[in-house]
Amino acid sequence: DSGVTQTPKHLITATGQRVTLRCSPRSGDLSVYWYQQSLDQGLQFLIHYYNGEERAKGNILERFSAQQFPDLHSELNLSSLELGDSALYFCASSVAAAGNTGELFFGEGSRLTVL
Amino acid sequence: ILNVEQSPQSLHVQEGDSTNFTCSFPSSNFYALHWYRWETAKSPEALFVMTLNGDEKKKGRISATLNTKEGYSYLYIKGSQPEDSATYLCASLGAAAGNKLTFGGGTRVLVKP
Repeated sequence: DSGVTQTPKHLITATGQRVTLRCSPRSGDLSVYWYQQSLDQGLQFLIHYYNGEERAKGNILERFSAQQFPDLHSELNLSSLELGDSALYFCASSVAAAGNTGELFFGEGSRLTVL
Repeated sequence: ILNVEQSPQSLHVQEGDSTNFTCSFPSSNFYALHWYRWETAKSPEALFVMTLNGDEKKKGRISATLNTKEGYSYLYIKGSQPEDSATYLCASLGAAAGNKLTFGGGTRVLVKP
């Protein structure tokens, strides 16, 4: 158990809908990262937050947004869903900020299926 | 190199044999290189975080080396066991990628008994 909690574990929804994925980092970790793993793709970086502030952004679609709350949990919002958004979404946490070298601790992922 | 690249994509190893594979990453403005082990139906778990040129790290039968000047890292598995079967991911953190921890595509290792 990495100590990172993601909910829901599985989600099936229809095109055009909106979903929210939630992540609670390990106790004491200030950094939260979101990654997307689509079929036959590697882990694609979406966004990184540190202590409530956005630190780095990947090729995250405009339909996607994220935030980190004062209690350090993070939410990834996906809207106007398309079939291609079906993927495994991982959250990871780290004690370090960007530019530092702390290892990431991954949650179990949220598997999103868009029908 | 602008992306993080791993080779080979997959390899089969006979139990007891040793093996190694490569991660190539942008060498300019480098901060850190991570290695993760990802078993099927589980989450990636950190093996090593390396920052210094020439660094070598070891955990049991698995070790890694780092060359930041030329932008590559090797992961070695000595005396492979079936439980070593997993996908091994490397990730690079550096200014060249906008300070984003960028993962390679992974090397999938299957150890045959």
